[in-house]
Amino acid sequence: SAVISQKPSRDICQRGTSLTIQCQVDSQVTMMFWYRQQPGQSLTLIATANQGSEATYESGFVIDKFPISRPNLTFSTLTVSNMSPEDSSIYLCSVLERRSSGYTFGSGTRLTVV
Amino acid sequence: GENVEQHPSTLSVQEGDSAVIKCTYSDSASNYFPWYKQELGKGPQLIIDIRSNVGEKKDQRIAVTLNKTAKHFSLHITETQPEDSAVYFCAASINSGGYQKVTFGTGTKLQVIP
Repeated sequence: SAVISQKPSRDICQRGTSLTIQCQVDSQVTMMFWYRQQPGQSLTLIATANQGSEATYESGFVIDKFPISRPNLTFSTLTVSNMSPEDSSIYLCSVLERRSSGYTFGSGTRLTVV
Repeated sequence: GENVEQHPSTLSVQEGDSAVIKCTYSDSASNYFPWYKQELGKGPQLIIDIRSNVGEKKDQRIAVTLNKTAKHFSLHITETQPEDSAVYFCAASINSGGYQKVTFGTGTKLQVIP
């Protein structure tokens, strides 16, 4: 299965600032996804990132707050903009490999906003 | 949309005993059901999956059963070991726009007591 490198692994940020999270995959993948996992909670899909097109956002998430880039088939970034303490969470990159329906996840970025 | 419920939220078992986690789903069109294990500080990892045309699947100490009529599926871990301690997520997946869109359950924190 694909290997995902996600960075940073953790960060502590001041409110009002922005953080960009990078996701690098070791193979070309059709679709990439960004999830949020609040402490002790399940995974909530933020958006789907397709190469060469605008990301598709789920209800409750907007592009101005979570801009996403997908410049090629192996890389994507998620920016958490104008952060507040409520954005403190784990952010996870995930890919869907062409050969199966299984999703592979990165190790996550643990974000704390102070 | 799809709704996935998962029980129990926490589960403690003695080493060597079996553990069972149950999930129900709402959308009868769901056709793929993966299970993920998330260890502390890591992203979820796919451990087993089952498709809607199969009633049971086993992989060493792990098995999954699916009852399409009742719309529920279960994860069974036998001969539990301390390294099985983690949070387990079930998921139900449906083909949407050419890919499998997945909805996660709320998670079960499994503790295996040595």
